[in-house]
Amino acid sequence: DTEVTQTPKHLVMGMTNKKSLKCEQHMGHRAMYWYKQKAKKPPELMFVYSYEKLSINESVPSRFSPECPNSSLLNLHLHALQPEDSALYLCASSQGWVGVAKNIQYFGAGTRLSVL
Amino acid sequence: AQSVAQPEDQVNVAEGNPLTVKCTYSVSGNPYLFWYVQYPNRGLQFLLKYITGDNLVKGSYGFEAEFNKSQTSFHLKKPSALVSDSALYFCAVRDGVTGGGNKLTFGTGTQLKVEL
Repeated sequence: DTEVTQTPKHLVMGMTNKKSLKCEQHMGHRAMYWYKQKAKKPPELMFVYSYEKLSINESVPSRFSPECPNSSLLNLHLHALQPEDSALYLCASSQGWVGVAKNIQYFGAGTRLSVL
Repeated sequence: AQSVAQPEDQVNVAEGNPLTVKCTYSVSGNPYLFWYVQYPNRGLQFLLKYITGDNLVKGSYGFEAEFNKSQTSFHLKKPSALVSDSALYFCAVRDGVTGGGNKLTFGTGTQLKVEL
C-alpha cells in the first residue's frame, strides 16, 4: 500500500481565516513533504520533515506553518493567506534514512485551495 | 545544483503508436532520476526510477525509460500509447539529501495527448 491521504480535497478560505490541511500515511515512512503546485507547473517544495523534525524550509512565508505531531501525520496551518496562495497543495512521504538517496516519494491527491 | 530539462511542452501521439517523452539531466556525481505522471486534479504518481544498473528501466503501466549517460538523457517510452495515457509527465532528479529526506528537482512537465 502506497497511500498518502490528504484532507480536505477542496478548501475555500478568506484572507482573514485560519485553516489547516492534513496529511496522513501508514507506510512507516519517516520523511514527509509539503509542495505547492500551480496549474500546469511542477511542484515546488515548501517543507521537509525528517523523523518529525523540520529539516528544510524553502523560505516559505510565515503565513504557512507546518507541524508534524507524529510519524504518520503532517499538518499545514494556514493564516492570513493571499489570493496568490491559491494552488494545489501536495503532501508526499518517503522511507527515511534507509537508502535515502534512492527513496521514492509517494504523493497524496492534494488539497485544492482557493483564497478569496 | 542538479537539474532536468523537458524540451517539449506537449507531445501528441495517435493511439497504438509508440510514444517518447524527453528528459535531459545535468548532475554532479551519480544521477538518481525519476518519472512521475499527473492526471487532472490528482497528485503525482510514481512511474519508474533509475539509480544504477541496466540502462533500460521498466516501470508501471507499460512505461519504460532509457538512460543514456553520453547524451545525459532519460527519455520515457511506451511501445503502444493509450488514450488513457493522456496526462502531464514530470521528470525529476534527486537534488540533495537532508536528514532522512531527499530533495527532488522537477522538470517543467510535458503534456501528453493521445488521440484516437
